[in-house]
Amino acid sequence: SQQGEEDPQALSIQEGENATMNCSYKTSINNLQWYRQNSGRGLVHLILIRSNEREKHSGRLRVTLDTSKKSSSLLITASRAADTASYFCATNFGNEKLTFGTGTRLTIIP
Amino acid sequence: GAVVSQHPSWVICKSGTSVKIECRSLDFQATTMFWYRQFPKQSLMLMATSNEGSKATYEQGVEKDKFLINHASLTLSTLTVTSAHPEDSSFYICSASKAGLPYEQYFGPGTRLTVT
Repeated sequence: SQQGEEDPQALSIQEGENATMNCSYKTSINNLQWYRQNSGRGLVHLILIRSNEREKHSGRLRVTLDTSKKSSSLLITASRAADTASYFCATNFGNEKLTFGTGTRLTIIP
Repeated sequence: GAVVSQHPSWVICKSGTSVKIECRSLDFQATTMFWYRQFPKQSLMLMATSNEGSKATYEQGVEKDKFLINHASLTLSTLTVTSAHPEDSSFYICSASKAGLPYEQYFGPGTRLTVT
């Protein structure tokens, strides 16, 4: 399977703390994206990082990409209760298809 | 904009019946639409890719006669689960991409199917 792995599978932190989740994948990629999914809902696109980029920021989000290690990390700073959701990485392997990672369930404790 | 809607948001059907799920791009033309399936607390698995006016391309292991996909226009794709069984119960999510931007997919809110 081409599916990526994410760790941790679940993460609980206090509101205001930073949350870091990691994604590893198996083959070369064109780009990597991070999505958020609230329980029972669709996916919300957070950020896209291309294979020639190493770091990208968007608001409280910071994404890094290490193609030599085939891994990416998503950092959410100053977490809020509303950040409680599942987070998925997804990769493109040269075509339009997205392959999703296994996801991290993030719980922010107020 | 780039809003994708799905209808219905949830549906309960009896075993052996068929159910149709609609996916619409509301404010853009979707040259490609994708259908995913998601089991509880699991990731999304791509079922098929459809381009307007052509036959869908199914992923390995997905029965094309069971999951009928029609992409009749640039704003509408439908997924019909035929002769549904309880094991077809799942969360079905569609996404759509614009011409020239195949990597950017906009996701619908999903449809919860329960087969009794």
